[in-house]
Amino acid sequence: EVQLLESGGNLVQPGGSLRLSCAVSGFTFSSYSLTWVRQAPGKGLEWVSAINSGDGSTYYADSVKGRFTISRDHSKNTLFLQMNSLRAEDTAVYYCAKTGAARPLGSGHGMDVWGQGTTVTVSS
Amino acid sequence: SSELTQPPSVSVSPGQTARITCSGDALPKQYAYWYQQKAGQAPVLVIYKDSERSSGIPERFSGFSLGTTVTLTISGVQAEDEADYYCQSADSSNIYGVFGGGTKLTVL
Repeated sequence: EVQLLESGGNLVQPGGSLRLSCAVSGFTFSSYSLTWVRQAPGKGLEWVSAINSGDGSTYYADSVKGRFTISRDHSKNTLFLQMNSLRAEDTAVYYCAKTGAARPLGSGHGMDVWGQGTTVTVSS
Repeated sequence: SSELTQPPSVSVSPGQTARITCSGDALPKQYAYWYQQKAGQAPVLVIYKDSERSSGIPERFSGFSLGTTVTLTISGVQAEDEADYYCQSADSSNIYGVFGGGTKLTVL
């Protein structure tokens, strides 16, 4: 069974840092791209960042560019999101999702498996 | 612009047809996807490549693309279809992804 399990969400002060993890199982980790999507309380989905399966190319929304870094560890089958300089508007549930293709955008394959999410709260 | 615009809400009675639209300038060049999100749950992929139904999705769900607008149609709506629906695509250069604002489907 394909599974994605996020962890690392917490309460953090503005300006602080946090690293989210997404442990995957049930599929060949190196063959598919992965994406982070977030949802602020009572709001819609927001695409945050994605990473290719092959060359490791990364992609970011303007709202997080320069503050967030996506990476993947093939030896641990784990996706990460390093979040620095956190702001109140980063408060959200963060989901990781698998795309049915090596590249996350433009392939025609959507995000076909999602984790249950981890909650990040940025507040003093 | 790579923004996607959806109506905030759509309401239909059981057995009727619901249509949810999504408009964006990049849609003629990019595939669109539809996700269903029920309260308190993670999103589920419903439609990919504009009109392909994802695995396990009932046949009453269909997608169509024409120009700058894509449409999710749910024929014979059932109470269990009540959810938020989001379209998603990418900018024309495949640099970032984008979601529509979401449409709340209410089954009366």
